[in-house]
Amino acid sequence: DQQVKQNSPSLSVQEGRISILNCDYTNSMFDYFLWYKKYPAEGPTFLISISSIKDKNEDGRFTVFLNKSAKHLSLHIVPSQPGDSAVYFCAASEFSRGNEKLTFGTGTRLTIIP
Amino acid sequence: DTGVSQNPRHKITKRGQNVTFRCDPISEHNRLYWYRQTLGQGPEFLTYFQNEAQLEKSRLLSDRFSAERPKGSFSTLEIQRTEQGDSAMYLCASSPGQGITGELFFGEGSRLTVL
Repeated sequence: DQQVKQNSPSLSVQEGRISILNCDYTNSMFDYFLWYKKYPAEGPTFLISISSIKDKNEDGRFTVFLNKSAKHLSLHIVPSQPGDSAVYFCAASEFSRGNEKLTFGTGTRLTIIP
Repeated sequence: DTGVSQNPRHKITKRGQNVTFRCDPISEHNRLYWYRQTLGQGPEFLTYFQNEAQLEKSRLLSDRFSAERPKGSFSTLEIQRTEQGDSAMYLCASSPGQGITGELFFGEGSRLTVL
């Protein structure tokens, strides 16, 4: 039972253009959402998060949008840079209940083409 | 400020042998998590500790797996009688807990290869 889904295993984007990564979830108890970035042979590193009380959070080139009614979130990267090439994981938790345990999606491999 | 440290980074073992991984969390972090990641999948939750207490275990954690955090600092994950299906990256993460942040801080992982 995949509670967090990333339906695009891979995405290629030209340098300088916008990258949009999508994520869907099924558990309505999730109230905190995060994006992690992972390079080969390294652990995931935190990128950006959003609480369910918001619909948008922005940090530099990264913006996360949350649509609670659709149970959908997306990560926008603009402009995309070669160093953004990595695997991106969407994750969710029931944080307001004191539960930080993260449930991850299967990841999207982003390749930025110079 | 040191991050989460895991060792060994890579372990190759023969089927049936026991292996142990160690995780040193960020100091003062009360919560420690173990995850497993296989090829093409996202990290999957195994277990977590609040200080020295193991508060939750996934059904993925068979009776061949045991985790400890004896003094509420470092943790060990032992796999007994390893099987080829145990081959994966074992990730450790920590957090300050107490609702301070929803972010988990991950180590670089310990890759297990079972021959």
